[in-house]
Amino acid sequence: EPEVTQTPSHQVTQMGQEVILRCVPISNHLYFYWYRQILGQKVEFLVSFYNNEISEKSEIFDDQFSVERPDGSNFTLKIRSTKLEDSAMYFCASYGSYNSPLHFGNGTRLTVT
Amino acid sequence: QKEVEQNSGPLSVPEGAIASLNCTYSDRVSQSFFWYRQYSGKSPELIMSIYSNGDKEDGRFTAQLNKASQYVSLLIRDSQPSDSATYLCAVKNQAGTALIFGKGTTLSVSS
Repeated sequence: EPEVTQTPSHQVTQMGQEVILRCVPISNHLYFYWYRQILGQKVEFLVSFYNNEISEKSEIFDDQFSVERPDGSNFTLKIRSTKLEDSAMYFCASYGSYNSPLHFGNGTRLTVT
Repeated sequence: QKEVEQNSGPLSVPEGAIASLNCTYSDRVSQSFFWYRQYSGKSPELIMSIYSNGDKEDGRFTAQLNKASQYVSLLIRDSQPSDSATYLCAVKNQAGTALIFGKGTTLSVSS
């Protein structure tokens, strides 16, 4: 069964550094998402991406965040100048058509020290 | 602000019993409803989707939706220790493109 692939599985970075989290969505999917989950808290929506542009973003997705689809397969989340509170599990997700379920990748655990 | 509410639990049931998980949502125009299971340290895994009022059954799982009451539930029959996990309710409205998740209910099934 096709799956969403995320790399790396764990990223440790120092406060103030930039990180790029990478995702390869399922190949025929059109809608791409980033979610985050701070330890012990709920899964929070960050941003959705469709047709090479952001279609929706949450209040969390401020100017320190950006997303990009640099080629036909990868989907990246960049966090500029990371803060301690950015430490969380970041999930990439995708689906193929509007009402179909969201498929999640295994996540990247980001630790900011 | 779209809200999805769940009791955080833990909900403890003995093996073989029925586990009942509940969820309410605030956005009346919500159209699509999903239950995900999440094991500790893992990603959410889809269990069921439901779009119409009534019940939908899939194996040991039954999802129930009542749009008038803005309520969706998940029943797990013949609960197994392997069902022990956090169950996330997620809702998407007609206008939005994102799933909004509740905090999840932790289920513990004892053998």
